[in-house]
Amino acid sequence: QVQLVQSGAEVKKPGASVKVSCKASGYIFTDHYIHWVRQAPGQGLEWMGRISPNSGGANYAQRFQGRVTMTWDTSISTASLELSRLNSDDSATYYCAREYCTGGRCYSGLDYWGQGALVTVSS
Amino acid sequence: QSALTQPASVSGSPGQSITISCTGTSSDVGNYNLVSWYHQHPGKAPKLIIYSDNKRPSGVSDRFSGSKSGNTASLTISGLQAGDEADYYCCSYAGGPSLVFGGGTKLTVL
Repeated sequence: QVQLVQSGAEVKKPGASVKVSCKASGYIFTDHYIHWVRQAPGQGLEWMGRISPNSGGANYAQRFQGRVTMTWDTSISTASLELSRLNSDDSATYYCAREYCTGGRCYSGLDYWGQGALVTVSS
Repeated sequence: QSALTQPASVSGSPGQSITISCTGTSSDVGNYNLVSWYHQHPGKAPKLIIYSDNKRPSGVSDRFSGSKSGNTASLTISGLQAGDEADYYCCSYAGGPSLVFGGGTKLTVL
């Protein structure tokens, strides 16, 4: 079955970087984009970007440009999100999610989600 | 990219129907047939309930339905059940490529 298993909680100091991983299993990785979505405590969902396991190419939300890097490691079927220059506003649960794609077409719906990784930024 | 606009809260009694609106612009909701809806129970990851404006993933109850008119998408839940109480989010493809979420709607089942 499809699974996305994320790395554990992190505590970081302001100005530091964090890397969150998302191990995929149970499906053909190159057929589906992986997206990253975050949720601050008590707040809504925020799209951060997506990566193509097929090409390795990534697209980022404008507000994170220059501060975010998304990668895919084929050897371990794992997507990673790295966010630099952290501040308190980056304290959130970070989710990876698979985009629903079939017949060579993708539909933007995120059909499988990781369990989330809590990142706390505090001095 | 501004967030899509959803009501902060809606409520209904068991067995009733409710509708949650999601208003975007001609650059997102109105330009693509790619609105999705999610519900999220406390402490859990979101779950996809509607994609491509009005399609249900396998296994999602037919009590959930999606529609769209112009720049506004809607989610209707019929036969409301206690377990439907959750936060609901809409999301639209916005070109670029990019996605944009709504602010979320808290559904209370009275």
